[in-house]
Amino acid sequence: DGGITQSPKYLFRKEGQNVTLSCEQNLNHDAMYWYRQDPGQGLRLIYYSQIVNDFQKGDIAEGYSVSREKKESFPLTVTSAQKNPTAFYLCASSINVGRPRHTQYFGPGTRLTVL
Amino acid sequence: AQSVTQLGSHVSVSEGALVLLRCNYSSSVPPYLFWYVQYPNQGLQLLLKYTTGATLVKGINGFEAEFKKSETSFHLTKPSAHMSDAAEYFCAVSDFGYGGSQGNLIFGKGTKLSVKP
Repeated sequence: DGGITQSPKYLFRKEGQNVTLSCEQNLNHDAMYWYRQDPGQGLRLIYYSQIVNDFQKGDIAEGYSVSREKKESFPLTVTSAQKNPTAFYLCASSINVGRPRHTQYFGPGTRLTVL
Repeated sequence: AQSVTQLGSHVSVSEGALVLLRCNYSSSVPPYLFWYVQYPNQGLQLLLKYTTGATLVKGINGFEAEFKKSETSFHLTKPSAHMSDAAEYFCAVSDFGYGGSQGNLIFGKGTKLSVKP
C-alpha cells in the first residue's frame, strides 16, 4: 500500500542531544513537509521541499534542520538549539508543491519528549 | 497574508444531532480550502476540499462543507453525529497566489468534537 511512514512513533531525548525523525513516502510525490503540532496551536510549518536536494524554511525553522537526498525521504533533525522541542511532529507529502489543488497526505506522526 | 479562524476550540453534541464546525478565512485571492480530521495520536486525514466549481462540497463519512465567498466561510456539517466522529478537526487554506508562495497550507487551531451518547 502507498503511504507515508514516520519513525519512531515515540522518541525521548535528553536536553542537549540532537535527534533525527524519519519520514519516508512511496507515493512518488515531489513535495514533502514537516509540521510541528502543539495542543491548541494547530500545525506550524517547519521546512518543506519541492524537489530533491532543495528545501525551504517554513514559519518555525529555528533549531531544526532537514535534508532531501532522495525523493522518498525527508528526515528532520531536532537540534539542541531548539529550546522547546517537546511536541508532535507530522510529515506530509503532495504531488507538486506549486499546485494547491493537490492534497497533502500525512504520516502517523512522531511524539518527541525531552526529559 | 492568509489566515484561518476556527470558532470554538471545543464542540460537544449528542449522538444523532447536527454537527456544525465553523471556519472563516481571510484571503485576497480565490482560496483553496480544506478540512482535515485527526484522531488521537494519529496523522491528519483529508475530509474534503474546495478548489473551484460547486460551492457545496461533499466529503467522507457523511461530512460536507459550503464555500460562501460573501461570508468568507467554509463551515463543516454533518446531519447526524456518530460516536466515531469524536476527533479534532482542522480547517486549512492554501496560500497559493501570494508573491513567492508555493501553495503551502495554513491551518486553523483546530476544533475538538465530543459526541455524547
